[in-house]
Amino acid sequence: EPEVTQTPSHQVTQMGQEVILRCVPISNHLYFYWYRQILGQKVEFLVSFYNNEISEKSEIFDDQFSVERPDGSNFTLKIRSTKLEDSAMYFCASRRVNTEAFFGQGTRLTVV
Amino acid sequence: AQSVTQLGSHVSVSEGALVLLRCNYSSSVPPYLFWYVQYPNQGLQLLLKYTSAATLVKGINGFEAEFKKSETSFHLTKPSAHMSDAAEYFCAVSMNRDDKIIFGKGTRLHILP
Repeated sequence: EPEVTQTPSHQVTQMGQEVILRCVPISNHLYFYWYRQILGQKVEFLVSFYNNEISEKSEIFDDQFSVERPDGSNFTLKIRSTKLEDSAMYFCASRRVNTEAFFGQGTRLTVV
Repeated sequence: AQSVTQLGSHVSVSEGALVLLRCNYSSSVPPYLFWYVQYPNQGLQLLLKYTSAATLVKGINGFEAEFKKSETSFHLTKPSAHMSDAAEYFCAVSMNRDDKIIFGKGTRLHILP
């Protein structure tokens, strides 16, 4: 069964460093999303991406964040200068038109 | 704006007992509603979805949910809890099938032996 794949499963980085979280969406999906879940809190929407551009972003998704679909298969989330409060589980999701979203297993980002 | 409210951050039920997890939604348009489950150290898995067809929706693992417009509710139930049901459950809403999903705060379900 096709699935959304995220790498790495766990990333530890120093405050101020750049991190790139990687996702391989399901191959025939057209809509892509990033969500985050701070420990013990709810899952929050970050950004949606369609047709090679951002279609919507939340207040959380500030200038420190960017997304890219560099090669037609990967979908990446970059955090330019990580802060302690960026520590969270980051989920990638993808969907086709008129279907539900499928989520990856998540990347746990720890900023120290 | 759309939102969902899940009543009870923690719910404990005995094995074999009825599971009832509550969710109320707020939406300016007919909503699409979802329940997702997150097992420990795993991702989000879709349990079931409501997309304006039947109001009683059956999902995986014996779970079902009923859409009640008059009560703006979409409670999740399972007749008989199993130890393997212990997980975090998230109610979620979307304006349409192509829109972002807004999650509730989640309810952690504990199963007592």
